[in-house]
Amino acid sequence: QVQLQESGPGLVKPSETLSLICNVSGDSVTNYYWSWIRQPPGKGLEWIGYIYYSGSTSYNPSLKSRVTISEDTSKNQFSLNLSSVTAADTAVYFCVMGYCSGGCFQHWGQGTLVTVSS
Amino acid sequence: SYELTQPPSVSVSPGQTARITCSADALPNQYAYWYQQKPGQAPVLVIYKDSERPSGIPERFSGSSSGTTVTLIISGVQAEDEADYYCQSPDSSGTYVVFGGGTKLTVL
Repeated sequence: QVQLQESGPGLVKPSETLSLICNVSGDSVTNYYWSWIRQPPGKGLEWIGYIYYSGSTSYNPSLKSRVTISEDTSKNQFSLNLSSVTAADTAVYFCVMGYCSGGCFQHWGQGTLVTVSS
Repeated sequence: SYELTQPPSVSVSPGQTARITCSADALPNQYAYWYQQKPGQAPVLVIYKDSERPSGIPERFSGSSSGTTVTLIISGVQAEDEADYYCQSPDSSGTYVVFGGGTKLTVL
């Protein structure tokens, strides 16, 4: 059974960089597609991007200039960096495993709320 | 930008059939996926590749596709099915992932 767990600061100041880590158990991050998806309070889901097959990435065009997703295969984890954050980046951030490039998001972390505020 | 269009809300009585639609130009050429999300929880995949059901998902959940519209069908709706439902699909190039705006299913 694949399990994912997000970790990172719950509060980030405006203009700073949001950094989260997803710890994975039950499968290797060198397999399949590992995504970050976020959900602002009371709103819908937004795909941020994914990393797959040992380092290739794809990002949401609306966030691409600010996003970096990377992996640490030795720790079986992957991470999200989102730079120059504003209040609009306040959201629950989920790390997710998918079996295909088109989505098929089968396994989700519980999500972590990140608030952007001074 | 590419969008998937869902109705904001659908209401049904217990035991009836709920149908939630999702429309976009590229859907004839891309698979759609459906997720159920209850308050305070992570989404759960309930339909993949338009009409396939993951193991553990009740048989009352099914999916169909016709042209530019895909439909999530919940037969014999139960109170526990009240949730937000999101469709998701790649964009027309197959490069990026897109979610619909979500549909709140209310069981009367």
